[in-house]
Amino acid sequence: SQTIHQWPATLVQPVGSPLSLECTVEGTSNPNLYWYRQAAGRGLQLLFYSVGIGQISSEVPQNLSASRPQDRQFILSSKKLLLSDSGFYLCARTTGRNYGYTFGSGTRLTVV
Amino acid sequence: KNEVEQSPQNLTAQEGEFITINCSYSVGISALHWLQQHPGGGIVSLFMLSSGKKKHGRLIATINIQEKHSSLHITASHPRDSAVYICAAEETSGSRLTFGEGTQLTVNP
Repeated sequence: SQTIHQWPATLVQPVGSPLSLECTVEGTSNPNLYWYRQAAGRGLQLLFYSVGIGQISSEVPQNLSASRPQDRQFILSSKKLLLSDSGFYLCARTTGRNYGYTFGSGTRLTVV
Repeated sequence: KNEVEQSPQNLTAQEGEFITINCSYSVGISALHWLQQHPGGGIVSLFMLSSGKKKHGRLIATINIQEKHSSLHITASHPRDSAVYICAAEETSGSRLTFGEGTQLTVNP
């Protein structure tokens, strides 16, 4: 099983509050893990990806950060949320090139 | 110009119609993915293609590597096929996906 657990499903947070979204995966060890965001009316955009514990690459400079404290755990964080952080956040995994992607169920974040 | 472009953006069909969604990409790819996103947001992987054609039930995906073009076909469409269909290019430089903006499909009974 290549299941991804992502929570919470929905979140409403005030501007300036912190954020922590967690993604845990099952199945093959040492997966590549990804955080994507979908802003309203737009396509999915890669935010961060990780090829191993403690290894994080950022694709888009922004108010967010990511960490991978364990092989199967990927966390998306912010110290102070902005209104523009609202969107649908998806965690995804792949076991490497040319292997299929598995997506989490997503978190819909609304910053108010 | 986006690196992955889909057409049409919106598509409305009657139940039973044959549907085609197109995807063109400009990046070098190791694979092309077709994904389905339901109204709640959850995404399901439909196909991963690196050449030729794949079929799963009423869904068919094709890719032409030389022309950098892929199509997703749905035969005998049904209202439950209503969703957003997303094309994504998996770049040769890594496993990262570059997404198209999606095609909103509505199938009316």
